[in-house]
Parts: sequence; C-alpha cells; structure tokens
Amino acid sequence: DAKTTQPPSMDCAEGRAANLPCNHSTISGNEYVYWYRQIHSQGPQYIIHGLKNNETNEMASLIITEDRKSSTLILPHATLRDTAVYYCIKWGPAGSARQLTFGSGTQLTVLP
Amino acid sequence: DTGVSQNPRHKITKRGQNVTFRCDPISEHNRLYWYRQTLGQGPEFLTYFQNEAQLEKSRLLSDRFSAERPKGSFSTLEIQRTEQGDSAMYLCASSFMGQPQHFGDGTRLSIL
Repeated sequence: DAKTTQPPSMDCAEGRAANLPCNHSTISGNEYVYWYRQIHSQGPQYIIHGLKNNETNEMASLIITEDRKSSTLILPHATLRDTAVYYCIKWGPAGSARQLTFGSGTQLTVLP
Repeated sequence: DTGVSQNPRHKITKRGQNVTFRCDPISEHNRLYWYRQTLGQGPEFLTYFQNEAQLEKSRLLSDRFSAERPKGSFSTLEIQRTEQGDSAMYLCASSFMGQPQHFGDGTRLSIL
C-alpha cells in the first residue's frame, strides 16, 4: 500500500524558518504534491502545490526532490499564527475531481 | 473575498434525531466535496458533486446520510437517526475544475 510519512510533531522558534518534510512511498508521474494546514477549530487551508519544480508563493516554498518521492515545505519566517497541523497530500492528475486523502500530518508548534 | 461558508458552526442534538447542515461554496466553483473529521484524525472523504450531480460516494456514507446540491449552488448534508458515532466535524470544500479545493470551517456535530 502507498504510504505518506510525515513526522508527527515539530517545534520551531518564532522568526526562524520551519522546514517540514514529507515522503511518499510511491508517486505517479501525473500526481502533484499538495500541502494544506489546519489551525485548531478551522477547516484545512490550501498552502501550495507542485509537480516537479520547486514552487514559491506568498505563504511558503516547496522543494521537491528529483524522484519526487520527497518534498519539504518551508515557512521562511515562522510566526505564532503558523502553529497548525500540516498535511502533505499527493493528488492528481491535473483537472481530476479526485478527493483529497489526508494522513495524520505534522503538528507544528511555533515557540515564542 | 467570500470563502466557503458552512452553517451552523455547531450542532448539538440527541441520539435518534435528524440533522441537516448547509454549505455555500465559492460562487464560481462547480465542484463540491463533503468530508468528515473525527478528533485527532485527518478529514475523510464522504461525497462529491459536480454541479448538481452527485458523482461519487464513500463507503463511509451510510444510508442514513444523504446529500443534495440543487441547481448546482449550495449543498445540504442530512443525517437521519443520528448515532453517537456520528459525532464529528463535517467539512465542505469547493473547487473550480482541477484547481485546489478550498474548505469551510466546518460544522461540529455533538450527539448527546
């Protein structure tokens, strides 16, 4: 069975970069890597996604390895409001209506 | 920016009662998803609509559950004869074609 591995928890000092790793045991060539986060008592929030190139937006950067089985989400200057559960999800192909399959995610705690 | 809206935010009911939740997606989004999330777990897919057509249902969606999306706009999720195990957060997400899904903040259901 395909498996996604994320550390269950991580801490990060406020103002420092938070680097969240993710590994997929298998990933198809047409599957994207998506990252969502969920702050307590809120719905999941879309952060970023990528296929094989590194991506950056106003929230974060995404680094994807050449074999695409590993990715790292980077929050460049973490704030207390970034404390949340972060989910790494493979999804595709492009344009599909497929549902998102969430794992257990990583609980990131940003410390003052 | 009007995101996905879910009502009510909280619902407390007695076992055996029927409950109905409403989701208003982002206006131009043609796809709508329902997920369920229990404490400490990631969201799990329940069902999916494209416009007004319900195209996929999870095996989690027992015959006590029914969802509708009349006219392809808002959606309702009804649970009949509620049971203790139905206590969860019910999340709605919407998307336009293959764009990222955007979630509402959910309806938390508590069964007494």
